[in-house]
Amino acid sequence: GAVVSQHPSRVICKSGTSVKIECRSLDFQATTMFWYRQFPKQSLMLMATSNEGSKATYEQGVEKDKFLINHASLTLSTLTVTSAHPEDSSFYICSASTGRDEKLFFGSGTQLSVL
Amino acid sequence: GESVGLHLPTLSVQEGDNSIINCAYSNSASDYFIWYKQESGKGPQFIIDIRSNMDKRQGQRVTVLLNKTVKHLSLQIAATQPGDSAVYFCAEKFGNEKLTFGTGTRLTIIP
Repeated sequence: GAVVSQHPSRVICKSGTSVKIECRSLDFQATTMFWYRQFPKQSLMLMATSNEGSKATYEQGVEKDKFLINHASLTLSTLTVTSAHPEDSSFYICSASTGRDEKLFFGSGTQLSVL
Repeated sequence: GESVGLHLPTLSVQEGDNSIINCAYSNSASDYFIWYKQESGKGPQFIIDIRSNMDKRQGQRVTVLLNKTVKHLSLQIAATQPGDSAVYFCAEKFGNEKLTFGTGTRLTIIP
């Protein structure tokens, strides 16, 4: 299957700082990538759809100024959690599709802990 | 709104036995379904998918069954191994709409 790399895998930061998470498609180009958030023992919640060369599409209730998404190339999308607070602590996961079919391939996730 | 749900939140199976994980979906128009496996602290891993024009699909040790009449999806894992312990999510999709995930079932393999 296709490989999606996500970095960092874990980050601990102080309240008020910004954190950037990178998502890369290693062996394919992805015009669209997806960012999810997952709380413990819960399912994945789609936050936004990242579109290469255009603005991201955010799901209802997700603050676009809080979660900045940049999809500057066909292999890289970034999610920046701005002015992070403890309630932003969560597991963030990105995914992408090769475009050949509808399968989504996921990154390994980033565990964000805001102190 | 539409949702994808699971019948059992937890399932324990003896090693070597077969396991069946069930999923109910509510959108009768969904035409594509996927099963993912998620181990602790990792991202979901694709297991198997099925389109609505099929009712069964087999992979290596796994089989997905789709019953559109009752809007039910199941994942069968044969000869379970300790490495099969994980949370399993079903997901559904209609056309170009986004993928919607179910709540997940935790499968524990008992040695």
